[in-house]
Amino acid sequence: KAGVTQTPRYLIKTRGQQVTLSCSPISGHRSVSWYQQTPGQGLQFLFEYFSETQRNKGNFPGRFSGRQFSNSRSEMNVSTLELGDSALYLCASSLVQGAPTGELFFGEGSRLTVL
Amino acid sequence: KQEVTQIPAALSVPEGENLVLNCSFTDSAIYNLQWFRQDPGKGLTSLLLIQSSQREQTSGRLNASLDKSSGRSTLYIAASQPGDSATYLCAVSRQAGTALIFGKGTTLSVSS
Repeated sequence: KAGVTQTPRYLIKTRGQQVTLSCSPISGHRSVSWYQQTPGQGLQFLFEYFSETQRNKGNFPGRFSGRQFSNSRSEMNVSTLELGDSALYLCASSLVQGAPTGELFFGEGSRLTVL
Repeated sequence: KQEVTQIPAALSVPEGENLVLNCSFTDSAIYNLQWFRQDPGKGLTSLLLIQSSQREQTSGRLNASLDKSSGRSTLYIAASQPGDSATYLCAVSRQAGTALIFGKGTTLSVSS
């Protein structure tokens, strides 16, 4: 059974550009969450999608957005990139929102470098 | 606001030693607690998940305990091996499956 797949794995952008990251959850999983990991702040929750609807949102500016498609695949977008957006962006999936176990399974991440 | 703290931030032990990693959280109203492992530059691997109604979970050489009332969890690793070297992260959720609050992690180094 394939795990959570994130693309691209690495990318370099310059300030002011925008970026789109993609996440394919484990087959059958309908909930997708996004997290940002930086050395200073650690792992921080960005947002969570279930059935194409954003259910939860973390404390990030509006430059960070996302969406989920009918096949549960998700994308996140960061516009007007800043140096501080350099981070490892991790996607996680779970079977359903409100599942009894609530266990999350993470992908390998997309490492974004902003120059 | 929920805060999760992991102590120590780094730990070095010789191979074969049993060890305990600590995790504390400020709000006892959690739904579950998960322990993850992260290798350098990689994603997170789920190790153990403890529901709020449970006291402990075991998987192989790993045992995680949860004391909600005191806001603490421990991850016990028996007979450590060099392959156990990684960063171990503790995370709690307020509701099922979403919005995990993570600690900063404990980086473990096991020498042979």
